[in-house]
Amino acid sequence: EPEVTQTPSHQVTQMGQEVILRCVPISNHLYFYWYRQILGQKVEFLVSFYNNEISEKSEIFDDQFSVERPDGSNFTLKIRSTKLEDSAMYFCATKGGGGGAQEQYFGPGTRLTVT
Amino acid sequence: AQSVSQHNHHVILSEAASLELGCNYSYGGTVNLFWYVQYPGQHLQLLLKYFSGDPLVKGIKGFEAEFIKSKFSFNLRKPSVQWSDTAEYFCAVNARNGGYQKVTFGTGTKLQVIP
Repeated sequence: EPEVTQTPSHQVTQMGQEVILRCVPISNHLYFYWYRQILGQKVEFLVSFYNNEISEKSEIFDDQFSVERPDGSNFTLKIRSTKLEDSAMYFCATKGGGGGAQEQYFGPGTRLTVT
Repeated sequence: AQSVSQHNHHVILSEAASLELGCNYSYGGTVNLFWYVQYPGQHLQLLLKYFSGDPLVKGIKGFEAEFIKSKFSFNLRKPSVQWSDTAEYFCAVNARNGGYQKVTFGTGTKLQVIP
C-alpha cells in the first residue's frame, strides 16, 4: 500500500537555526498538510497546501513557517528561526484529488528537538 | 469551525475488560469521522473511519465505532481489550467535501491495560 514518508525521523537543532522537514506524498495526491504534536498534547493543524499555494493556516503557522513543493514531489516545511517551543513531532499528511477523496494519509512524523 | 471532545483522558482497564471511549464533535455540516491510535513512541495509525453508510464501522484489531448523528457522537468500542492495546487514542473529524479541509483532533485518551 502506498504511504507517506518523512525525513528525517529525528532532527536536533539549536535555537535560532533554520530547519527543513521533508515529506514525500503518495503519488497523485494533490492536497498536502502539516500537523504538529507537542509532547503530551493533541495533534494540531498547521497548514494545508493545494495547487502550489496555502489553502488554510492556523494561528500557529506564523511568519517563521513556510511550505513549498520545490521539485513537484517533496513537500517541505521550513522553520526559519527555531524556538524551544517548536520542539514537537511534525506530521505530514496527503490526500488525493477529486470529490471522492476524503481520507488524509499521515506520515510517520519527524521529531524536532530544539535545544 | 469544527471541534472534537474526548471525555476520558486516562482509562485503566484489566485485560479482557470491555472498552468504550467517548467522542463528541461539533460541526454544522456533514463530517467524516476517524479514530487514530498512537502506540508509545510511534506515529499515528488509522483504526477506523466513517464517511457514509452503515453507522457501525469496524476497524483493525477488533475495534468498532458507532456514529450517532443525533448525538454528534462517534464512540469507540472493543469487547475485550488486550495488554497490547495500551496506547493513546484520538478521535478526529473533518468536513465532508472534496476540498482541502483540515482534520481536527480531540485531546486524546490514554488507555492503560493491566495484564
